[in-house]
Amino acid sequence: EIVLTQSPGTLSLSPGERATLSCRASQSVSRSYLAWYQQKPGQAPRLLIYGASSRATGIPDRFSGSGSGTDFTLTISRLEPEDFAVYYCQQYDSSPYTFGQGTKLEIK
Amino acid sequence: EVQLVESGGGLVKPGGSLRLSCVASGFTFSNAWMSWVRQAPGKGLEWVGRIRSKTDGGTADYAAPVEGRFTISRDDSKNTLYLQINSLKTEDTAVFYCTTFSFTSGWSWGQGTLVTVSS
Repeated sequence: EIVLTQSPGTLSLSPGERATLSCRASQSVSRSYLAWYQQKPGQAPRLLIYGASSRATGIPDRFSGSGSGTDFTLTISRLEPEDFAVYYCQQYDSSPYTFGQGTKLEIK
Repeated sequence: EVQLVESGGGLVKPGGSLRLSCVASGFTFSNAWMSWVRQAPGKGLEWVGRIRSKTDGGTADYAAPVEGRFTISRDDSKNTLYLQINSLKTEDTAVFYCTTFSFTSGWSWGQGTLVTVSS
């Protein structure tokens, strides 16, 4: 099973700042089958990035994904108030399709 | 547009059973591999299992914690995915989501259905 470890657990930033979220895999995620989600309370997860770097439909270009192998990054270039939420990564390269434990992005 | 609508959740006593449904539209359901994901209150996302399309064998894989109690099935004539949950435990209390992947648009999710296991 591929274990995904997200860091930091909590990230405190101000609107307008840049956010960098990390997702590290216990073994290589081949074919870059990695996704990033945003989740707000009471809502279903919202897909941001798939294939490590492909932005989902309707996602603003301030969100970008990068990485390969075991190290992946979600970058939010300039935080908007609506970006404060919990973020999860997921690998879908091999079963079981595992999720990271999440990073909470909070307003400083 | 892909739409996934889950139903069947509710309050169940420990030891009971429940069958969740997910009706799909906006894509060719029979060709799709489908998955279930759950989220316990205040916790993270947990992948439950997946089922392949019939052309790819139609078999299912499960996460270790649910193997033997959960069964995923599909009815392609009804564009519907199912999750049968037996021997329910209090720790199964969660929102259950059905999901599917497309190489052109990524992962799509339903809005979820809440299962509460309590005496």
